Amino acid sequence: SAVISQKPSRDICQRGTSLTIQCQVDSQVTMMFWYRQQPGQSLTLIATANQGSEATYESGFVIDKFPISRPNLTFSTLTVSNMSPEDSSIYLCSVSGTTRLYNEQFFGPGTRLTVL
Amino acid sequence: GDSVTQMEGPVTLSEEAFLTINCTYTATGYPSLFWYVQYPGEGLQLLLKATKADDKGSNKGFEATYRKETTSFHLEKGSVQVSDSAVYFCARGNTGNQFYFGTGTSLTVIP
Repeated sequence: SAVISQKPSRDICQRGTSLTIQCQVDSQVTMMFWYRQQPGQSLTLIATANQGSEATYESGFVIDKFPISRPNLTFSTLTVSNMSPEDSSIYLCSVSGTTRLYNEQFFGPGTRLTVL
Repeated sequence: GDSVTQMEGPVTLSEEAFLTINCTYTATGYPSLFWYVQYPGEGLQLLLKATKADDKGSNKGFEATYRKETTSFHLEKGSVQVSDSAVYFCARGNTGNQFYFGTGTSLTVIP
């Protein structure tokens, strides 16, 4: 399986600030995704990070709030902008699509965000 | 629409008890099906998968069989351990590699 790392692993932020989360994979992958997992909840897909083009956002998520970059096939960032306490969640990066990972998704360890 | 319905928790079992967590799906076609596990304070790990009808996925004593006729993928383990305490997520894939997750079932195993 791919090795996926996320930075930071956790953070406590003030209302109104922004946080950028990094996701690094140890091999080239076709698709990268960003999920949110609110306390006690399941995973909600925020967007698909597309290499070389704008991310594809799910209903209820917008680029101004969650800008995403995907400069190459092994790296992506998610920014949580103008944060409020409602943004307190675990943010998870996942990957799929290489030959050995086809039709599976593997997840990073997550970033635990607390907004005060 | 496409979805995954998972047995609600929380589930509390004694060590060595039999575990079943129900999962059913709706989909067009025959998607791949997965169980993920999330241990306390950690991210999601793939537990097992099945990619076609009648496939049985298995790992760490857990099993799940892809039942096309009942559109189900129930997770089972014959004898749970305290270390199995975690949240379990059923998921299905689609042709675009987007996954749909169930709501998760929290399992606590007591000695």
